[in-house]
Amino acid sequence: DAGVIQSPRHEVTEMGQEVTLRCKPISGHDYLFWYRQTMMRGLELLIYFNNNVPIDDSGMPEDRFSAKMPNASFSTLKIQPSEPRDSAVYFCASSFWGAAEAFFGQGTRLTVV
Amino acid sequence: GQQLNQSPQSMFIQEGEDVSMNCASSSIFNTWLWYKQDPGEGPVLLIALYKAGELTSNGRLTAQFGITRKDSFLNISASIPSDVGIYFCAGLAGSSNTGKLIFGQGTTLQVKP
Repeated sequence: DAGVIQSPRHEVTEMGQEVTLRCKPISGHDYLFWYRQTMMRGLELLIYFNNNVPIDDSGMPEDRFSAKMPNASFSTLKIQPSEPRDSAVYFCASSFWGAAEAFFGQGTRLTVV
Repeated sequence: GQQLNQSPQSMFIQEGEDVSMNCASSSIFNTWLWYKQDPGEGPVLLIALYKAGELTSNGRLTAQFGITRKDSFLNISASIPSDVGIYFCAGLAGSSNTGKLIFGQGTTLQVKP
């Protein structure tokens, strides 16, 4: 298995633009997590899905952030409109059984200028 | 909210030395996890601990789940240059399928050959 695949690896965008981050979880995994990593706040859970259904989105910072999982092999995290403070590395992770033992993707480094 | 205090923040050691880092919280956790993150990559799970008092090894790595459920430590014996990276502890308060991992701020390890 290729592992969790995220795209793009790097994204530079201007403030106010819409940004879409993509994730393909490991086949057969029922859980999908979106995390954000910054120097100031470390690694934070934004939202997670179980069987394509959002379970906990309490970590989503604002209404500008939205996440979808239309099927078991694809998820998106969208920021609209983007702001400079959204600059961070965004990780997608998937697991067969819950948060413990999740496998992380390589991340998307987002820079909003 | 729940917080994990990870220490030390950074370590610079000689190859062959043993390393110890720990994580503490004022809250009780039911699962403790230790991850390693290399530059430009996502965190990789090293050890998972599910029971208070549990001591688990993975090669040169040993981790323990504190008896109070409020702390955990990770030891690395006979360090080698490829041990360089950032080590994160993470705790899960609920059952392992609730999804909300809390991460420590990380310990940056540098190994001098």
